[in-house]
Amino acid sequence: DIQMTQSPSSLSASVGDRVTITCQASQDISNYLNWYQQKPGKAPKVLIYDGSNLETGVPLRFSGSGSGTHFTLTITSLQPEDIATYYCQQYDDLLSYTFGQGTRLEIK
Amino acid sequence: QVRLQESGPGLVRPSQTLSLICSVSRASIDNGGSYWSWIRQYPGKGLEWIGCIYYSGRTHYNPSLKSRVTISRDTSENQFSLRLNSMTAADTAVYFCAGSGSYLSYWGQGSLVTVSS
Repeated sequence: DIQMTQSPSSLSASVGDRVTITCQASQDISNYLNWYQQKPGKAPKVLIYDGSNLETGVPLRFSGSGSGTHFTLTITSLQPEDIATYYCQQYDDLLSYTFGQGTRLEIK
Repeated sequence: QVRLQESGPGLVRPSQTLSLICSVSRASIDNGGSYWSWIRQYPGKGLEWIGCIYYSGRTHYNPSLKSRVTISRDTSENQFSLRLNSMTAADTAVYFCAGSGSYLSYWGQGSLVTVSS
């Protein structure tokens, strides 16, 4: 089974900061990696798909990069509405999904 | 906008079977290229994929749950369902249905299921 390891598990940053969250896969997953944002009491919402593609309607301050085993989600200028928990998710050819353990982002 | 809505009991007794239904609107569950999943989230914690049913009706399950899970569909009602047997307290979670392809574009609001006697 492929394991996804996110870091950090929690993060505190100031409005306007650049924020980076990483996700490490236990084996090569090419670009089969998506990022989700989840706010309390809500379902997750996809931000980035296939490693670096921005989902329609997602602000341009969000970006994704990486391939193989190492991936990053970057928020270039943190906004108060970005407070949430972020998850990476890998998928395989059969569409089995594995999620990272999540990164809780707070405002400093 | 595609909408998904979970329905089912909020409380299940230990050893019993959980049955949840996901009703889909503004998209057909047998539309080519669509995949419909069940995912659960433990209280305050991360996400676990349970399994999915393809547009063709084929199913695919998380190996860790495969012996206890059945996902099926009713195309006439445009619904898909989850059955999880031998429930224990460890299965207490919010259960989401979700859909689309390699990434999950559409989600229900989630249904809290508590396992308790």
